[in-house]
Order: sequence, then C-alpha cells, then structure tokens
Amino acid sequence: QSVLTQPPSVSGAPGQRVTISCTGSSSNIGANFDVHWYQQLPGSAPKLLIYGSNNRPSGVPDRFSGSKSGTSGSLAITGLQAEDEADYYCQSFDTSLNGPIFGGGTKLTVL
Amino acid sequence: QVQLVQSGAEMKKPGASVKVSCKASGYTFTAYYIHWVRQAPGQGLEWMGWTHPSSGGTNSAHKFQGRVTMTRDTSVSTVYMDLERLTSDDAAMYYCAFSLATSNWFDSWGQGTLVAVSS
Repeated sequence: QSVLTQPPSVSGAPGQRVTISCTGSSSNIGANFDVHWYQQLPGSAPKLLIYGSNNRPSGVPDRFSGSKSGTSGSLAITGLQAEDEADYYCQSFDTSLNGPIFGGGTKLTVL
Repeated sequence: QVQLVQSGAEMKKPGASVKVSCKASGYTFTAYYIHWVRQAPGQGLEWMGWTHPSSGGTNSAHKFQGRVTMTRDTSVSTVYMDLERLTSDDAAMYYCAFSLATSNWFDSWGQGTLVAVSS
C-alpha cells in the first residue's frame, strides 16, 4: 500500500482534459514538501514530467500542469493525445519514513 | 547530455546476492545523490535508498536495511547497489536515478536492470 494515494485509472477522449489526484498526509505533502510527477511509457523508465509541484522540465509540453493544495497534489493534462497513454506516478518526501515516497500509479487510457 | 547507464539483466537463485551498477556521465558525478528505485512486474515504484558519491554516505528504506549496500567508485563515476538474500519478491526492474537533494525530484533515470529470481 503506497503512502500517496492515486486513482488506479483515468480515461479521456482525444482533445479532452483529465486530472490525476495524489493524496498524502501531514508527514509528506502537508509538511510542505513538493509533489513531483513522472510519466512511464510501456517498457520504459519513468521520465520527470512536473517538479516542484508546478514546474515543467525543458521539453515537456505545456499541456501538462501541476498544482498542490494542503495534503494533495494534482496533475492536469489538456488536449489529450494518443501518445499520452501511459502510467503516471506522483512522488514526494515523507518525514516519518525519512525518504522519498511514490503514489501507486495511475494508468491513463486515451479512448 | 546527462546519462545513467546500468548493467545488464541478472538471473539469480533464491538466497543469492545481486550487484547492479549505474555509470553516470554528462554532469558532476559528486554533486548529486544517486537513488535506487525498483518496480516489480505490473506494480508501482518503490524507493530503496540513496548514496551520495562525494561522501559515500547512504540511507535506505527501513524495508531494505541490513540487506542492501550502496557504494560508489568515483574514479569511474559509478555507483553500485548490492542486494542480499534474494527471494522471489525481489524479482523486479531496478532503476538508478539522481537528485540534487534527498527531498527533491529525480531528474534523470537509468534504463533499468531486470533482476529475475528463480530456483
């Protein structure tokens, strides 16, 4: 059982907007630690998508955005494309565990 | 550009140990933490621990303490992760990744090393 909670799956049609939530607690996101997001395409290593809750690395389209509020973070994807079909993971830091933690992952299906 | 290149796939018997390497290039090797993250088949990501190449200091998740050893060789910009007393539950893809601070994001990842455990 992951420390951060994500929905197992989300789906949307091409062009639509989807959001993926990441719920933590007072020992991680609620303790003012940022939320980061990774995209994992089938058979590939994870790739950094959003860092510091709402920043995009160079090369990541602005269709991807992140936010954080209280003990939760959220990833939004607008203008959904077939190539966005992947697993998405959130990550933060936990003071009780004294280490990075991940959400269980969300599988995005583009209908 | 920044690259983390890991060693090849391994097949081990239960009770054995496995050593995975991660060679860094394209950045100052001693400036970043190197973490190990594993992913069992069809499962999510699990953080195992980190090492800092400059000091050699390490920290591991409680689950792996006493069973994982992380070392580095600065002369070849390589870190190593040694996992002992393997069981079938350790069968997974093992990734190295780096971050500027222990509480930060993972900027870049290795390609992964598949470890199979079977008698």
